[in-house]
Amino acid sequence: EPEVTQTPSHQVTQMGQEVILRCVPISNHLYFYWYRQILGQKVEFLVSFYNNEISEKSEIFDDQFSVERPDGSNFTLKIRSTKLEDSAMYFCASSPGPGGYTFGSGTRLTVV
Amino acid sequence: RKEVEQDPGPFNVPEGATVAFNCTYSNSASQSFFWYRQDCRKEPKLLMSVYSSGNEDGRFTAQLNRASQYISLLIRDSKLSDSATYLCVVSLTAGSNYKLTFGKGTLLTVNP
Repeated sequence: EPEVTQTPSHQVTQMGQEVILRCVPISNHLYFYWYRQILGQKVEFLVSFYNNEISEKSEIFDDQFSVERPDGSNFTLKIRSTKLEDSAMYFCASSPGPGGYTFGSGTRLTVV
Repeated sequence: RKEVEQDPGPFNVPEGATVAFNCTYSNSASQSFFWYRQDCRKEPKLLMSVYSSGNEDGRFTAQLNRASQYISLLIRDSKLSDSATYLCVVSLTAGSNYKLTFGKGTLLTVNP
């Protein structure tokens, strides 16, 4: 069964550092997403990406965040200057269209 | 009002019990409805989509009432392996965006 692959599975970084979270969506999917889940809280939408551009972003997705699809297979989330409150599980997802979402297994980001 | 609101739980039930989860959503324009399950520190996984006519998948039955903006999930003959957090999820499709909005989830523990 096709998978969404995320690396690394766990990232520890110092406050103020830049991190890049990587995702390989399912190859024939057209829509890509990042979600995050702070420990004990709900899964929250960050950003959706279609046709090489952001189609929607949430209030959480401020100027510290950016996404890129650099080579037609990878989909990355960059946080420029991490804060303690950025510590969370970050889930990448892809879908061929409405519904049909597949989530990756997540990257646990710990900011110290 | 929260966008997607669920029973806070947690639910602790014996094996074989029937358990019901309730969910309400605030946006009447929501178009797609789902139940996901999430194991501890793992990604959300689709359990079933929810259709207006109601639908069943083995021991799982989902119902949708658009007039009252209410979604339910019934698990019959619960198994130890059903222990997880159950997430009510709605989608408001707009153009090229298929963003999912999650409830906080209800934790279910099935005891031997």
